[in-house]
Amino acid sequence: QSALTQPASVSGSPGQSITISCTGTSSDVGGYNYVSWYQQCPGKAPKLMIFDVSNRPSGVSNRFSGSKSGNTASLTISGLQAEDEADYYCSSYTSRRTYVFGTGTKVTVL
Amino acid sequence: QVQLVESGGGVVQPGRSLRLSCAASGFTFSSCGMYWVRQAPGKGLEWVAVIWYDGSNKYYADSVKGRFTISRDNSKNMLYLQMNSLRAEDTAVYYCARRLQKQQLTEYYYYYAMDVWGRGTTVTVSS
Repeated sequence: QSALTQPASVSGSPGQSITISCTGTSSDVGGYNYVSWYQQCPGKAPKLMIFDVSNRPSGVSNRFSGSKSGNTASLTISGLQAEDEADYYCSSYTSRRTYVFGTGTKVTVL
Repeated sequence: QVQLVESGGGVVQPGRSLRLSCAASGFTFSSCGMYWVRQAPGKGLEWVAVIWYDGSNKYYADSVKGRFTISRDNSKNMLYLQMNSLRAEDTAVYYCARRLQKQQLTEYYYYYAMDVWGRGTTVTVSS
């Protein structure tokens, strides 16, 4: 199972919006609405930010939103803040009853 | 509070075995699916395995299938990962994580996401 494709890095200024893409296939991202997104700060465990494409767990800021079109899912961070600087990973359930993560995106706040 | 604590990591020679443990607390462990996820040094996350709440179903990444075994002891609130025939490429921080679920009355609804993570335990495979 190949990793889902994400851009290596995305940057933005405080207050701006950025979008991270996550491209898979019809056997994972395109086949199920089971895409989740995780934020990982340096030296820390990942944190769930979005599940089922666009749902936020309680406690996650509404500045984070998710969507999907075909085989590509997206995470948008609006009103970018310094504390959003981290690595972000998408994940999808697959037709083989397994999971696959994305390659990861480093978000930099300029 | 809800907590997962991994243990059992260390330095091991190629071809040898190691068993990781994950102690769960603060929630009804026997109702929760569980995962192992790993992260090689400086690399991204890699899903390793999942086990159903009752241990009835287990699925593995191709990279570990046939070498790793996920298991659980609901009476002890413990999750395990038995790792055999270890290779240098298995070197990573290993995290256990809980499957997201929500309860409505007496029904549990399971989601395909990991909502609680441990801090990880480091496995180094080297001669």
